[in-house]
Amino acid sequence: EDQVTQSPEALRLQEGESSSLNCSYTVSGLRGLFWYRQDPGKGPEFLFTLYSAGEEKEKERLKATLTKKESFLHITAPKPEDSATYLCAVPQKDYKLSFGAGTTVTVRA
Amino acid sequence: KAGVTQTPRYLIKTRGQQVTLSCSPISGHRSVSWYQQTPGQGLQFLFEYFSETQRNKGNFPGRFSGRQFSNSRSEMNVSTLELGDSALYLCASSLALGFEQYFGPGTRLTVT
Repeated sequence: EDQVTQSPEALRLQEGESSSLNCSYTVSGLRGLFWYRQDPGKGPEFLFTLYSAGEEKEKERLKATLTKKESFLHITAPKPEDSATYLCAVPQKDYKLSFGAGTTVTVRA
Repeated sequence: KAGVTQTPRYLIKTRGQQVTLSCSPISGHRSVSWYQQTPGQGLQFLFEYFSETQRNKGNFPGRFSGRQFSNSRSEMNVSTLELGDSALYLCASSLALGFEQYFGPGTRLTVT
């Protein structure tokens, strides 16, 4: 089964302190990589889809990038409201999505 | 466009009972997936439906079942509830298999 690994497990940031989250995957023939944000007790919120190496997507303070074996989610000048768990996922050969365990980001004011 | 809706949002059941959860996908989406999420655990895949057919199934006992209707709406059923079934059950819809999924708010099931 394809593997999706996210690091670090947890990230504590000071407001304004930029950082990056990593999502590495093992899948042949990538059909897309998806990023989600999840707040406690809520369903994950879709953020981005990346399809090919070199592709970048941005939304407010978030920017997702993709290489052949990993993706990064960069958080620029984070605010407390960016605190959440960020998940990445890739479709397997049978199209089932494999999710990483997530990175929990806490931004302190 | 309306998002994914799930009903009920909260449910309290007793061990041994059964429960049915409902999911209405985004209009035009034909694929529905179900996940279980417990504290400290990631998303555990239950099953996925496309065009009323179960296409994928996770490693859950046969007490967990589901179906999809011709309008793409889906239900999942859990029979003979156990305390360990207490979790947030999430439904997600997508245009087709392998596309990005959009999640509903979830149903919080508590088994006492």
